[in-house]
Amino acid sequence: DTEVTQTPKHLVMGMTNKKSLKCEQHMGHRAMYWYKQKAKKPPELMFVYSYEKLSINESVPSRFSPECPNSSLLNLHLHALQPEDSALYLCASSQDPSGTGGRTNEKLFFGSGTQLSVL
Amino acid sequence: GQSLEQPSEVTAVEGAIVQINCTYQTSGFYGLSWYQQHDGGAPTFLSYNALDGLEETGRFSSFLSRSDSYGYLLLQELQMKDSASYFCAVRDMRGGGNKLTFGTGTQLKVEL
Repeated sequence: DTEVTQTPKHLVMGMTNKKSLKCEQHMGHRAMYWYKQKAKKPPELMFVYSYEKLSINESVPSRFSPECPNSSLLNLHLHALQPEDSALYLCASSQDPSGTGGRTNEKLFFGSGTQLSVL
Repeated sequence: GQSLEQPSEVTAVEGAIVQINCTYQTSGFYGLSWYQQHDGGAPTFLSYNALDGLEETGRFSSFLSRSDSYGYLLLQELQMKDSASYFCAVRDMRGGGNKLTFGTGTQLKVEL
C-alpha cells in the first residue's frame, strides 16, 4: 500500500463551524505533513510531525489545530475559519524524518487533498 | 530563507523535448527534488538530485549544478498526459531538515 488517504475530498463550512480533516497512511512512514495550496500556487507547508511529535509549525493561525493520534493518522481540526482559508489542503508522508537526505527520505507521498470552501 | 524560481508557463508540442529550469537560494542544501501535479490531483514525486549531474528515469531526466544553484527537469517524447504543473523543491536544514519548500511552479501545456 503506497497511498496516503485523505477525507473528506470536499468540504464546505461556515465561519462558525468546527470540522476535521483526516489523513491516513500505512507505509510505516514516520514523518507526516500538512500543506495548504491555493489555485495556481505551490504547496505551502503548515505543520510537520516527526515520530508523532509536532516538529514544525509554520506560524499557522490557531484556528488550525493539528493532531497526530498515532503513526498512521494525522488530523487537522478547523474552527472559526475565514473565507481566505479556502484552499486545497494536502497531507503527505515520508519515510525518515531525520532530514539526512537521500532519495528515500526526500520522496514525499501526497494524498489527493481536501478542497475546502469557507463561506 | 528559501527561494526557488521557475518559469511560470511552458508550451510544447507532442513528441518534442522540453526543459523546465529552477534556480534556487537556500540557507543549506541537501538536494533538489521535482514533483508533478495534474489539475485537481496530488503532487507526485518525479526525481531527486543530491550531486551534480544528470539523473535519468525513463522519459524524464533531472540535472543539478550545485555551484550554479541551478537545476532542470528534461521531458522527452512529450505526451498529452504530461500537461501538468511541475515544481522543484528543496529541503530546509532548519527544523530538523523536514521542511520541504516548493518552487513557484511551471505549468506545462502539451499541444498536438
